[in-house]
Amino acid sequence: AQSVAQPEDQVNVAEGNPLTVKCTYSVSGNPYLFWYVQYPNRGLQFLLKYITGDNLVKGSYGFEAEFNKSQTSFHLKKPSALVSDSALYFCAVRDMKDSNSGYALNFGKGTSLLVTP
Amino acid sequence: DAEITQSPRHKITETGRQVTLACHQTWNHNNMFWYRQDLGHGLRLIHYSYGVQDTNKGEVSDGYSVSRSNTEDLPLTLESAASSQTSVYFCASYRLADLREQYFGPGTRLTVT
Repeated sequence: AQSVAQPEDQVNVAEGNPLTVKCTYSVSGNPYLFWYVQYPNRGLQFLLKYITGDNLVKGSYGFEAEFNKSQTSFHLKKPSALVSDSALYFCAVRDMKDSNSGYALNFGKGTSLLVTP
Repeated sequence: DAEITQSPRHKITETGRQVTLACHQTWNHNNMFWYRQDLGHGLRLIHYSYGVQDTNKGEVSDGYSVSRSNTEDLPLTLESAASSQTSVYFCASYRLADLREQYFGPGTRLTVT
């Protein structure tokens, strides 16, 4: 079975400060990991993914994430937060060899990021 | 540009009525999905399709059906709408061959009164 945990419902950070949104996962095989962002009344937008290779993945809008296999984590980070980063962030996983569910993604419950001026 | 669209964007219906939500993608992707988004649950898979004439149940498929008569469209039907189906529905598509991410539509907000 595959699952994702986002332990924080909300993360608050001041503009200009670094931000971290946490994600841990569980798969029986090797993971494909994704981060998506959702702005109010919008669909999900892809930020970045880990498939294989370098554990530090760089994505859109200055975001990056670090894959840590021993801790089964894939935390989202940004060195300097912007007010416009305020949104709902979803971590998602798929088992690399799992063809069930049409290769659908398993999503976390989401973390609301609020960046204050 | 290729895209994925959903219609309607907002729908209010009454309990017991049949409702169909449309999803259309121009990516030519074989794999398509329907998810529902609820507070505290994230996104949950309703149905998915590997290609034309193929449909499969996901985690929360009770009360929903889909059909796939062509590559571009995967309509989602609520056979007899219930208040528990009030939610935001997202369609997504994906091409397995190149391991790319899923592309999501803008969502349909459905309210069942």
